[in-house]
Amino acid sequence: DGGITQSPKYLFRKEGQNVTLSCEQNLNHDAMYWYRQDPGQGLRLIYYSQIVNDFQKGDIAEGYSVSREKKESFPLTVTSAQKNPTAFYLCASSILRQDTLTGELFFGEGSRLTVL
Amino acid sequence: AQSVTQLDSQVPVFEEAPVELRCNYSSSVSVYLFWYVQYPNQGLQLLLKYLSGSTLVKGINGFEAEFNKSQTSFHLRKPSVHISDTAEYFCAVRFTSGTYKYIFGTGTRLKVLA
Repeated sequence: DGGITQSPKYLFRKEGQNVTLSCEQNLNHDAMYWYRQDPGQGLRLIYYSQIVNDFQKGDIAEGYSVSREKKESFPLTVTSAQKNPTAFYLCASSILRQDTLTGELFFGEGSRLTVL
Repeated sequence: AQSVTQLDSQVPVFEEAPVELRCNYSSSVSVYLFWYVQYPNQGLQLLLKYLSGSTLVKGINGFEAEFNKSQTSFHLRKPSVHISDTAEYFCAVRFTSGTYKYIFGTGTRLKVLA
């Protein structure tokens, strides 16, 4: 079955450590996204990428970094510069072809990061 | 600036009663509209979407929504809810051209009571 796989599901980190969240998709989607979810704040966009080797900052990119070396993969690194990294992180993907126009985002199951 | 507003953070409703979850958006350009559902500690699943055409959109699990361009609204409705509908619901928009950013509302927590 096609889908988006995020790992790990749960992750604990000590302050000052970098951590990388994995996101892999086999949907052949062009675009991939990372969102952060906090209670009462909805989903906020961290980074997105429309094509391999290119990505754009979202609304809350500070303290995060990404790479897009392969179409299927879009890992997110939460660096020690992120002041409040405890959150639920969601990866998503979508088709960009104009003739398809399905439009929606497909989401992974999320990764919950807790800083101790 | 474009934004999505879900005025109700929580909506309690009794089982088998109807429910409406409200969504209003602000945008100077055309948008696509979506409703997603999220169960605890899971990702989001698409309930329904409006891309073009008929303004009444039917989705999964008996949900429907109506696009009202003049009121810039996209309210979600279900005529009779079940306990299993207890979840968080998110409204989202995406611009029809240009950037492929999606903007989400802050979510509405639907609690269905027995």
